Amino acid sequence: DTEVTQTPKHLVMGMTNKKSLKCEQHMGHRAMYWYKQKAKKPPELMFVYSYEKLSINESVPSRFSPECPNSSLLNLHLHALQPEDSALYLCASSQDIETYYGYTFGSGTRLTVV
Amino acid sequence: AQSVTQLGSHVSVSEGALVLLRCNYSSSVPPYLFWYVQYPNQGLQLLLKYTSAATLVKGINGFEAEFKKSETSFHLTKPSAHMSDAAEYFCAVTPRGRRALTFGSGTRLQVQP
Repeated sequence: DTEVTQTPKHLVMGMTNKKSLKCEQHMGHRAMYWYKQKAKKPPELMFVYSYEKLSINESVPSRFSPECPNSSLLNLHLHALQPEDSALYLCASSQDIETYYGYTFGSGTRLTVV
Repeated sequence: AQSVTQLGSHVSVSEGALVLLRCNYSSSVPPYLFWYVQYPNQGLQLLLKYTSAATLVKGINGFEAEFKKSETSFHLTKPSAHMSDAAEYFCAVTPRGRRALTFGSGTRLQVQP
């Protein structure tokens, strides 16, 4: 298995809702990442997990809450989002946090906040 | 902080023509450099990477890139464009001492029939 699987592919949520994005990989990778991509912009780093521990938080608002329950799974919990949080949320993994390995990206979750 | 600059937000070529997408990095110490491709409504796919082993790097789909320290460049090329190459291309860097990819602004490649 050489894929990163993200679910759901599309999500529409209201500003008072709570939802979660899920990311899964079975490549034995020990580093996992969340990126946010606005339309016609490059991906921007949000969080990095290394060996299931949070390694980097790019000053992301607390309405985004990451979780890494095990080495294969990464979640992003969403609560009280704003319309400007609408974006494509990409999950990625790499063999190790030493990123000369390169990342494998999922196909993303398209989030719309209404 | 180390970063990459992609010259040209849009590049248009004819099918069969040479593809040249430009990327310059800002550092006196060569970082790790990558090229990714993103097709519409999809994630990013790694095309190739430079990790100091060889200056000419061959990737998937016929793409290659040459690392030139004197020019601080890592331009992406393909001898003959196919219609299927139309996509967004991102140059990315892993700065030494920072364990996460930072992306350039991207170049949209259009291939005309």
